[in-house]
Amino acid sequence: GAGVSQTPSNKVTEKGKYVELRCDPISGHTALYWYRQSLGQGPEFLIYFQGTGAADDSGLPNDRFFAVRPEGSVSTLKIQRTERGDSAVYLCASSPTGEGTEAFFGQGTRLTVV
Amino acid sequence: GDSVTQMEGPVTLSEEAFLTINCTYTATGYPSLFWYVQYPGEGLQLLLKATKADDKGSNKGFEATYRKETTSFHLEKGSVQVSDSAVYFCALVSRSSARQLTFGSGTQLTVLP
Repeated sequence: GAGVSQTPSNKVTEKGKYVELRCDPISGHTALYWYRQSLGQGPEFLIYFQGTGAADDSGLPNDRFFAVRPEGSVSTLKIQRTERGDSAVYLCASSPTGEGTEAFFGQGTRLTVV
Repeated sequence: GDSVTQMEGPVTLSEEAFLTINCTYTATGYPSLFWYVQYPGEGLQLLLKATKADDKGSNKGFEATYRKETTSFHLEKGSVQVSDSAVYFCALVSRSSARQLTFGSGTQLTVLP
């Protein structure tokens, strides 16, 4: 597709379960970002990939959160032992090269932990 | 650390009214500044940007000027339309966080016919 694609669009899970959220960036974009947006707030940075490596993971809130991008394209955000406070919209963005270039956002995955 | 403070909403205007959404920032050095818009059911889209002091970003009738002296980047439009109804986010990228956007909390705009 032409834009950043995120799946699923909605995910409901029980507290304590493990979830995976997928992001397909725009083809050819080397930079990929994950953000988390809580209700009524702006997006908050989680992690940034340049190619296959996590160049900056300073925004991950704790060690329950992990993200991978094994082939430098698709990325998966993984959350272990989910908590109700993890409920939010998780946004993925990609950009052609990273620094200083426009980031294109997907529509997000709405995660609800019950 | 870097931060963005923007006007709280919601903002409700009649069609053809003048719009201002205030945005101020705190950052190290001279950041790049952005306005993103989120239309209902859609992802965040870049509306406009400015990368240095006194630059004016503009798009779709919206404008914002990078004011270093007041650390501000207020969004303006002279005549809003119903189709401008959306959530608007002010954001920055600074030298200390060159790889990540720091966002404000967003301002919901509703334009009534």
